[in-house]
Amino acid sequence: GDSVTQMEGPVTLSEEAFLTINCTYTATGYPSLFWYVQYPGEGLQLLLKATKADDKGSNKGFEATYRKETTSFHLEKGSVQVSDSAVYFCALKSSYKLIFGSGTRLLVRP
Amino acid sequence: SQTIHQWPATLVQPVGSPLSLECTVEGTSNPNLYWYRQAAGRGLQLLFYSVGIGQISSEVPQNLSASRPQDRQFILSSKKLLLSDSGFYLCAWSPGTSGSSPQETQYFGPGTRLLVL
Repeated sequence: GDSVTQMEGPVTLSEEAFLTINCTYTATGYPSLFWYVQYPGEGLQLLLKATKADDKGSNKGFEATYRKETTSFHLEKGSVQVSDSAVYFCALKSSYKLIFGSGTRLLVRP
Repeated sequence: SQTIHQWPATLVQPVGSPLSLECTVEGTSNPNLYWYRQAAGRGLQLLFYSVGIGQISSEVPQNLSASRPQDRQFILSSKKLLLSDSGFYLCAWSPGTSGSSPQETQYFGPGTRLLVL
């Protein structure tokens, strides 16, 4: 069945460092891909999405490109801030449900 | 704009007690509605989804049930809670007619943290 694999955390960075969180997927058909962010004690917020191959989703300085040839959707940000500390979930959707990765915790230190 | 509400925010219940969690959506009509559960340190798992009033599909067999008595109201229930029911319960909605389009985005509520003792 469909599945999503994320790099294990926690990822600890200093402020203004470059961020990459790896995400790969297995799916039949043509899924859409999403990144959600969960701040401490809160629900999930949509961060960005891409609906077809080679699409780039972007929001708040974060970017991810839908790579069909490598089945990947890595999340990147050029300069992280302390306020980016959260858990990031990669997910795919090929029908009615979202299939999530296990999440990657990011901790940004001042 | 659309808003999704969940309550209560936090709940501590003894084993064997009943459960009722409520989710409501404002600012849209005929949304598709979903219940997900996030167990400690793990990803999210879809429990139920609904494409209309009275229409509930279950993803995993368990002692939980869901109901949709009104267009924008989704309720998660249990007659007798188990320890394994502890977790973070998230309600989500999406626009559209069937919910099955890959492009449809799901938007999540603030969640209910349930601890069963």
